[in-house]
Amino acid sequence: KAGVTQTPRYLIKTRGQQVTLSCSPISGHRSVSWYQQTPGQGLQFLFEYFSETQRNKGNFPGRFSGRQFSNSRSEMNVSTLELGDSALYLCASSRLTSGGGYEQFFGPGTRLTVL
Amino acid sequence: TQLLEQSPQFLSIQEGENLTVYCNSSSVFSSLQWYRQEPGEGPVLLVTVVTGGEVKKLKRLTFQFGDARKDSSLHITAAQPGDTGLYLCAGDDFNKFYFGSGTKLNVKP
Repeated sequence: KAGVTQTPRYLIKTRGQQVTLSCSPISGHRSVSWYQQTPGQGLQFLFEYFSETQRNKGNFPGRFSGRQFSNSRSEMNVSTLELGDSALYLCASSRLTSGGGYEQFFGPGTRLTVL
Repeated sequence: TQLLEQSPQFLSIQEGENLTVYCNSSSVFSSLQWYRQEPGEGPVLLVTVVTGGEVKKLKRLTFQFGDARKDSSLHITAAQPGDTGLYLCAGDDFNKFYFGSGTKLNVKP
């Protein structure tokens, strides 16, 4: 079974531009979550989509948005990029375990650099 | 806000030594995961623990979930250089995950 895939792997943008990142979950997984990881803040939750609906949201400004398609693929968009948006953006798909909890599987991430 | 605290933040040991990493919270989670992450890559799931008091073994790694499902530990026996990486714990609150800040482990040959 293929893992979570993210494209592109690396991206360089300048301040003020916008960017769209893409994520394909593991086949059969309907939940997709996005995280931002920086050395100073660690892994921070952005949002989670399930069946094309945003189900959970973290504490990020409205410049960060996402969507999910009917095939469970997801995109996240960051508008008006700032230097502080430079980070590793991680996507994870999750499944319900037989024990009742969820477990997440991460993609390799997209390294975004804002100049 | 649910917070997961990991300790220690950094650990540098010699090959062959044992170590324990702790993940503590004041909140109850439906399950808890441990991940290992290498630089520039996504975290890789090592284990999921669900039942209070549960112990799981993965070769030289032993994971324990606290009886109250608020804390967990990861014990590595006879660490090897290949164990080097960032270890993250994450608590699951019905598919909303809260991550600890991580433990950076360096195992020197």
